[in-house]
Amino acid sequence: DVKVTQSSRYLVKRTGEKVFLECVQDMDHENMFWYRQDPGLGLRLIYFSYDVKMKEKGDIPEGYSVSREKKERFSLILESASTNQTSMYLCASRFTGKPQHFGDGTRLSIL
Amino acid sequence: AQSVTQPDIHITVSEGASLELRCNYSYGATPYLFWYVQSPGQGLQLLLKYFSGDTLVQGIKGFEAEFKRSQSSFNLRKPSVHWSDAAEYFCAVGALNNAGNMLTFGGGTRLMVKP
Repeated sequence: DVKVTQSSRYLVKRTGEKVFLECVQDMDHENMFWYRQDPGLGLRLIYFSYDVKMKEKGDIPEGYSVSREKKERFSLILESASTNQTSMYLCASRFTGKPQHFGDGTRLSIL
Repeated sequence: AQSVTQPDIHITVSEGASLELRCNYSYGATPYLFWYVQSPGQGLQLLLKYFSGDTLVQGIKGFEAEFKRSQSSFNLRKPSVHWSDAAEYFCAVGALNNAGNMLTFGGGTRLMVKP
């Protein structure tokens, strides 16, 4: 069974902090994704990675960066957290051309 | 650019009643279509997908969806709803690019089930 693990279920940070969200998958998937989920807006793609050290911007990359140093791990970085980044963040992974598998999400609050 | 519309934000049905959740998409070529379900506090679970072939697709938990190209729709159906089906449902359309299928999600429909 595919396992996508997000390191924190809930996280509270302060404005201006640098925030790291971690995601690990155990199925050797090439592709990994970070989304944010907001009520009424569904999921919006922030960044994705199709291989180690490879990344591409999604629909809403502003204020975020990512890191993929190892195939199984994909990190989302908020360089200087702001209150409008309070949201649910979902990580997903997949083999190319196959459906995505999602983690349980990290609910991030920026105070 | 592709887009997905789920016209109903909330739907309430009685347990045992039939269910149809609407999904309309906009995409310039043959789409890859998905329905995901999200239970409270959980990530998204794939219910079913359409890539090609038979336009009526069967999924898990007794769900099915029908792809209608002429109406740009991919509505999700279930003949008899169970209380455990209460959740939020997301329709998504995928497009090919260098990394394979990239998904655009609709805004979601929250399903409530009355006893």
